[in-house]
Amino acid sequence: AQKITQTQPGMFVQEKEAVTLDCTYDTSDPSYGLFWYKQPSSGEMIFLIYQGSYDQQNATEGRYSLNFQKARKSANLVISASQLGDSAMYFCAMSAPDFGNEKLTFGTGTRLTIIP
Amino acid sequence: NAGVTQTPKFRVLKTGQSMTLLCAQDMNHEYMYWYRQDPGMGLRLIHYSVGEGTTAKGEVPDGYNVSRLKKQNFLLGLESAAPSQTSVYFCASNDRHSYEQYFGPGTRLTVT
Repeated sequence: AQKITQTQPGMFVQEKEAVTLDCTYDTSDPSYGLFWYKQPSSGEMIFLIYQGSYDQQNATEGRYSLNFQKARKSANLVISASQLGDSAMYFCAMSAPDFGNEKLTFGTGTRLTIIP
Repeated sequence: NAGVTQTPKFRVLKTGQSMTLLCAQDMNHEYMYWYRQDPGMGLRLIHYSVGEGTTAKGEVPDGYNVSRLKKQNFLLGLESAAPSQTSVYFCASNDRHSYEQYFGPGTRLTVT
């Protein structure tokens, strides 16, 4: 069975600073995907970034990067130059893709608050 | 292009009542999913579908049924609602060639 662990229930970060949100995972599948989603107070789920287990380089999307350390089974999200609009819940998730069928297992989330 | 839509947005049920949540997507996606989100927990997969006419159980399927009679629609049914089913329900979909799931806005269901 797959499991995602997010150990930081909440974080407070000064605006313009970088922030790292922790995520560790457990799976016996050799092929898997790792995701980060953002959930603002309005409630929608917003896809941020994806890393495949066979990808050699860390994924980046604008101010978001995923620090993938396979041996340690960690997939931390790094947000550079944080903004007030980054205040939200952040969920790490993983999938064991089955011909495109991405059944996701989510962590419990980290609530990030950006302080002006 | 509306993406993924969910109907209704809010609903209050009494214990024992039944209802159906509708998810619709206009992106011609093969795969569709129903998740529930409870306070302090991440989203958990209820049921999913890999194509029209097919459904399968996820992590927490008990008390729910689903149907996918048309490719663009995925229905989630509660036959006899219980207070434990009070939650926010999210529908999602993705194309077979893409890992990115597109989520609907959610349905907040309260069972009293």
